[in-house]
Amino acid sequence: EDKVVQSPLSLVVHEGDTVTLNCSYEVTNFRSLLWYKQEKKAPTFLFMLTSSGIEKKSGRLSSILDKKELFSILNITATQTGDSAVYLCAVYSTEAAGNKLTFGGGTRVLVKP
Amino acid sequence: KAGVTQTPRYLIKTRGQQVTLSCSPISGHRSVSWYQQTPGQGLQFLFEYFSETQRNKGNFPGRFSGRQFSNSRSEMNVSTLELGDSALYLCASSLSGRGGQETQYFGPGTRLLVL
Repeated sequence: EDKVVQSPLSLVVHEGDTVTLNCSYEVTNFRSLLWYKQEKKAPTFLFMLTSSGIEKKSGRLSSILDKKELFSILNITATQTGDSAVYLCAVYSTEAAGNKLTFGGGTRVLVKP
Repeated sequence: KAGVTQTPRYLIKTRGQQVTLSCSPISGHRSVSWYQQTPGQGLQFLFEYFSETQRNKGNFPGRFSGRQFSNSRSEMNVSTLELGDSALYLCASSLSGRGGQETQYFGPGTRLLVL
């Protein structure tokens, strides 16, 4: 069965700190890994990673994938209170029957002023 | 371009009843996936539809079913509701759901409470 595990479960930081979120996975027929941010509503897309070793950046957020070791990290630098959210990692896999997205349990980040 | 829309946003039902939830994908998107989100289990894949056909199904009982119409709008149905079905049901759309090369965009969800 496909599995995606995120760590830590939660963390509390102060504004300006840097956080690193981890995502490890075991899936068959891996296609891509996605990061989402979820506040009190639907998850919003952050990154899609398909190739190892290529960092994707968007402002203060960056992410990288290691397909050999089967993990990804999401970094947030110079955190702000608006970064407080649950960050979800999901892996897209292809099965004979079709495609599916398997989510990790999420990491809850609280940024204090 | 309008995002993914879901109706209703909130729903209260009692055990044994059935419920139908609706999802309208982003215009031009033909793949629709459904997920159940609960505090205990997180986000779990229910099923994926493309061109009115179910392409994949998660590990949920047969009480959970869905369909997709020719305009790509999708509905999911849960029959004989149980207390454990209380959850946020999220719908996500993508252009074709092709091999994980496309982003899935989520709707706001329908929060279902079963009493």
